[in-house]
Amino acid sequence: GQNIDQPTEMTATEGAIVQINCTYQTSGFNGLFWYQQHAGEAPTFLSYNVLDGLEEKGRFSSFLSRSKGYSYLLLKELQMKDSASYLCAALDSNYQLIWGAGTKLIIKP
Amino acid sequence: GAVVSQHPSWVICKSGTSVKIECRSLDFQATTMFWYRQFPKQSLMLMATSNEGSKATYEQGVEKDKFLINHASLTLSTLTVTSAHPEDSSFYICSARVRDMNTEAFFGQGTRLTVV
Repeated sequence: GQNIDQPTEMTATEGAIVQINCTYQTSGFNGLFWYQQHAGEAPTFLSYNVLDGLEEKGRFSSFLSRSKGYSYLLLKELQMKDSASYLCAALDSNYQLIWGAGTKLIIKP
Repeated sequence: GAVVSQHPSWVICKSGTSVKIECRSLDFQATTMFWYRQFPKQSLMLMATSNEGSKATYEQGVEKDKFLINHASLTLSTLTVTSAHPEDSSFYICSARVRDMNTEAFFGQGTRLTVV
C-alpha cells in the first residue's frame, strides 16, 4: 500500500534549526510537497521536490532522496510564528497526492 | 500562486438540515478537486476526489449519500452535507489542482461547520 511517515510532534527553540523527516512508499513517484498549516487555517505551499538534492528557499530548505524514499524539511533561525503543523505529501504515478499525518512543531522561547 | 475560494468560511446549522459548501478556482481550470475534513488537533483526512464531469471517488468510510459532491465545471465543486448531525461538525477544506501535472494543490480557506 501507499504510506507516508513523519513524526507526530517536535519541539525546538527559537533561533535554532530543526529538521522534519518524511519517508514515503508510493506506487510510482512524481514529486514530494511540503505544506505548512497553522491551527484553524488551510495549508499553504512551502516546497516541491522531484529531483534528488537540496532546494533552498530563504529560511526553509527541502531535501529529497528518491532512492531512499526520503525527504526532509529544514527550518533555520526558527521564529515563534513557525509553530505550526508541517505536512508532507507525495505525488504517485496517477498524480494523486498521498498525505502524511503531519508533524506538529512547537517552538519554545 | 493560484487562488481557490471556498465559501462560506463558517456556518452554524441545526441538526437535520443540509449545508452546501462551494469551492471555486478563480484563475485556473481545476480538473481535479479534493475535499478534506479535519477534526481538532488531527491531520487532514481526504474524503473524496472529484474530476470534472465525472462522479466523485470517495474514500473508505465516507458516506457518499451523506456527503454529496458535484464538480460540474472546471472552476466549481460543491460539497453538500445532508441531514447534518453534531458529529459532522468539523473543518472542511477543498483543494484544487490540474490533473496529471506536477503542480501543487491550492487550498481554499476552509469552512468551519458547527451543527447544533
